[in-house]
Amino acid sequence: GAVVSQHPSWVICKSGTSVKIECRSLDFQATTMFWYRQFPKQSLMLMATSNEGSKATYEQGVEKDKFLINHASLTLSTLTVTSAHPEDSSFYICSARDHTWGRGDTGELFFGEGSRLTVL
Amino acid sequence: RKEVEQDPGPFNVPEGATVAFNCTYSNSASQSFFWYRQDCRKEPKLLMSVYSSGNEDGRFTAQLNRASQYISLLIRDSKLSDSATYLCVVMDSSYKLIFGSGTRLLVRP
Repeated sequence: GAVVSQHPSWVICKSGTSVKIECRSLDFQATTMFWYRQFPKQSLMLMATSNEGSKATYEQGVEKDKFLINHASLTLSTLTVTSAHPEDSSFYICSARDHTWGRGDTGELFFGEGSRLTVL
Repeated sequence: RKEVEQDPGPFNVPEGATVAFNCTYSNSASQSFFWYRQDCRKEPKLLMSVYSSGNEDGRFTAQLNRASQYISLLIRDSKLSDSATYLCVVMDSSYKLIFGSGTRLLVRP
């Protein structure tokens, strides 16, 4: 199946600093990527939809100025948590669908390995 | 009301048992349905898609009832390796995936 790589897997930072998480589709093109957040024992919550070459679409209640999303190419989307606080500590996961020209879209969503953020 | 609701469990069953999970969704316009499996501290992985006619993949059977907005997953002959959290997932008309909170399964020897 298609591969999505997410980096870093783990990050610990001080309160007030910014953290960037990268999401790459390694063997396919992804015009759209999704960013989720998962708190312990809770479901994945969609934060935003990242669109290549245009602004991301944020879900209700997600601060776009705090969670900056950039999707500059067909294979890379980044999420930057700005001025991180302890309550931002969570598991952040990206996902993408295979939109490579000529391939059938199965509808399957491929997930990155996730990034566990701990803000001290 | 949550868009996708699941019994959180845990379901604690012996090896070889048959176990069934249920899920309901609130948006009748939902287009596609999936079961994902998530191991502890890992990303979700697609287990199977769910079709209106029902579908089977080895020991796993998924069913969809659009009229009742209800999805099920049946696992036969449970293995220890089946221990995980099973996520019911619904795709809305804008291709967003809405996740249930998951049902935890523990298979004991």
